[in-house]
Amino acid sequence: DAGVTQSPTHLIKTRGQQVTLRCSPKSGHDTVSWYQQALGQGPQFIFQYYEEEERQRGNFPDRFSGHQFPNYSSELNVNALLLGDSALYLCASSPIMEGSSPLHFGNGTRLTVT
Amino acid sequence: AQRVTQPEKLLSVFKGAPVELKCNYSYSGSPELFWYVQYSRQRLQLLLRHISRESIKGFTADLNKGETSFHLKKPFAQEEDSAMYYCALSVFGNEKLTFGTGTRLTIIP
Repeated sequence: DAGVTQSPTHLIKTRGQQVTLRCSPKSGHDTVSWYQQALGQGPQFIFQYYEEEERQRGNFPDRFSGHQFPNYSSELNVNALLLGDSALYLCASSPIMEGSSPLHFGNGTRLTVT
Repeated sequence: AQRVTQPEKLLSVFKGAPVELKCNYSYSGSPELFWYVQYSRQRLQLLLRHISRESIKGFTADLNKGETSFHLKKPFAQEEDSAMYYCALSVFGNEKLTFGTGTRLTIIP
């Protein structure tokens, strides 16, 4: 089992551009969450997807949007990139079950906005 | 809103000495607390969670609701414990995690 996989590993974009990051969850997991980790900070929750719908959302502007596909994989889209969007973007997956589930994280995508 | 505080950004401990990484939280309800660890060049992974009440790699953590703390402890540090440690909180029934800023633990040989 490859666990949670993310692509690409690194990405450099220019301010104002748009970016799409991709994530495949761990086998058997159907819920995908996205986190942003700025340098020196802990991961911050962006949003979560289950059954192809956004279940909950953190304190991020509408420039951040996502999608989940029938095979449970997910995309994170960021429009009108700002310098402050430079960060490590982590995808995490979990199975839907009663109570909280420990998350399984991917290695992340390092986004640099210049 | 939930908040997790890890007061130490850096912590250095000699091999064989006890380790304690501090974590305090603020949440009015009953939270679920976790410790995640990230070893060099590896992904963030779960170390332990308070509801399991188990010891992983010699680490334990007790939830103290009176002090709103969930400190991570190990009686004898080993070199392989050097890593970044994050304390995290979730509300029961909700997978969303609120993380602290992390503590980088370095074990001195």
